[in-house]
Amino acid sequence: DTAVSQTPKYLVTQMGNDKSIKCEQNLGHDTMYWYKQDSKKFLKIMFSYNNKELIINETVPNRFSPKSPDKAHLNLHINSLELGDSAVYFCASSQTAQEQYFGPGTRLTVT
Amino acid sequence: KQEVTQIPAALSVPEGENLVLNCSFTDSAIYNLQWFRQDPGKGLTSLLLIQSSQREQTSGRLNASLDKSSGRSTLYIAASQPGDSATYLCAVSGNTPLVFGKGTRLSVIA
Repeated sequence: DTAVSQTPKYLVTQMGNDKSIKCEQNLGHDTMYWYKQDSKKFLKIMFSYNNKELIINETVPNRFSPKSPDKAHLNLHINSLELGDSAVYFCASSQTAQEQYFGPGTRLTVT
Repeated sequence: KQEVTQIPAALSVPEGENLVLNCSFTDSAIYNLQWFRQDPGKGLTSLLLIQSSQREQTSGRLNASLDKSSGRSTLYIAASQPGDSATYLCAVSGNTPLVFGKGTRLSVIA
């Protein structure tokens, strides 16, 4: 059984478009996260949600808007995509301050 | 601001060797430290989690230690195998969100 799943796995789109990435976890965790891994493979947190409430927003442009319809889902919507948004985006989940489990990643390419 | 450094950036060893990966962090006020493995083009797999009150954790051939006061952790891999080839990432959780090091890229040569 997949613990943390993301769709799509690959996303190729043009500059200026709006796209969404979906994340679901079946671990019963109360906290979910979005991370960005850039071309140099450096991982950095973008957002964290606890029980559907935003608790961390790490200086991410407001073109990025996370939405958590329930504890098991955290989606990422990106408006007006730019070339610099090309990266791998990872979703993760955990119980508060406990071990984090990561999804397989979504490779976003903006052309 | 928490900063995490991993040394070395890359390491190549012959199969069967024991090896140590190093991780250091600047702010000792952490809740826990987690070691991950990332294979090329894949997600992260959690290897070991050490709570701030613990000194070490073991899983199979892996042993991770934590010295919170000096801001250091090591990941010891015994009897390395080619299947251990991957990037190993250290991350700390505390008052700041989970902060990652840049990883150590390990190659185990058969």
